[in-house]
Amino acid sequence: GAGVSQSPSNKVTEKGKDVELRCDPISGHTALYWYRQSLGQGLEFLIYFQGNSAPDKSGLPSDRFSAERTGGSVSTLTIQRTQQEDSAVYLCASSLSLLSTDTQYFGPGTRLTVL
Amino acid sequence: AQKITQTQPGMFVQEKEAVTLDCTYDTSDPSYGLFWYKQPSSGEMIFLIYQGSYDQQNATEGRYSLNFQKARKSANLVISASQLGDSAMYFCAMREGLTNAGKSTFGDGTTLTVKP
Repeated sequence: GAGVSQSPSNKVTEKGKDVELRCDPISGHTALYWYRQSLGQGLEFLIYFQGNSAPDKSGLPSDRFSAERTGGSVSTLTIQRTQQEDSAVYLCASSLSLLSTDTQYFGPGTRLTVL
Repeated sequence: AQKITQTQPGMFVQEKEAVTLDCTYDTSDPSYGLFWYKQPSSGEMIFLIYQGSYDQQNATEGRYSLNFQKARKSANLVISASQLGDSAMYFCAMREGLTNAGKSTFGDGTTLTVKP
């Protein structure tokens, strides 16, 4: 089937505006993950979902960041009152389950630029 | 302490030669999985190879093999017969715990350049 998809692929916004990033995981994958990658850097873990539940939100950088997942499928990452430091590539991944043996498959990412 | 350490920010290798990318990890959990990903300049993260903490043998996938030394907590990626298309950033990652491995840790990456 299809891989992980993300939209939009690119988003340019003005400081202070809200943005929504969408992730559509691989069909049948119960676990979904969000990461942030700044230019030339490694991946910063943000949040994961098992089904619709997010047991650990401690990776979210601030209370301006929130995420939800509905129907055990699509997830939305929302950033309110965007700041320039939020500029990065936001990567979504999914896996069959939360077993440590399960591979995470990544989407193409959303490149966010905050002016 | 860093959970995943990749000590080589950049590596160069001649086409057709083998190259080893280093990865050391730190965990007290007996159950974990180690993964390597390739990220070309296009930005996509491509899964390469997996090694489980209980696996007795080193993982291999085509030209990729993982030199797993559990006692040393190292999981080095070996790429044989390098190709120009192997030029990319390579990330080592770990998932800890057996059934609740939600929070993954990634290293800072190694940029590999294959020279013709």
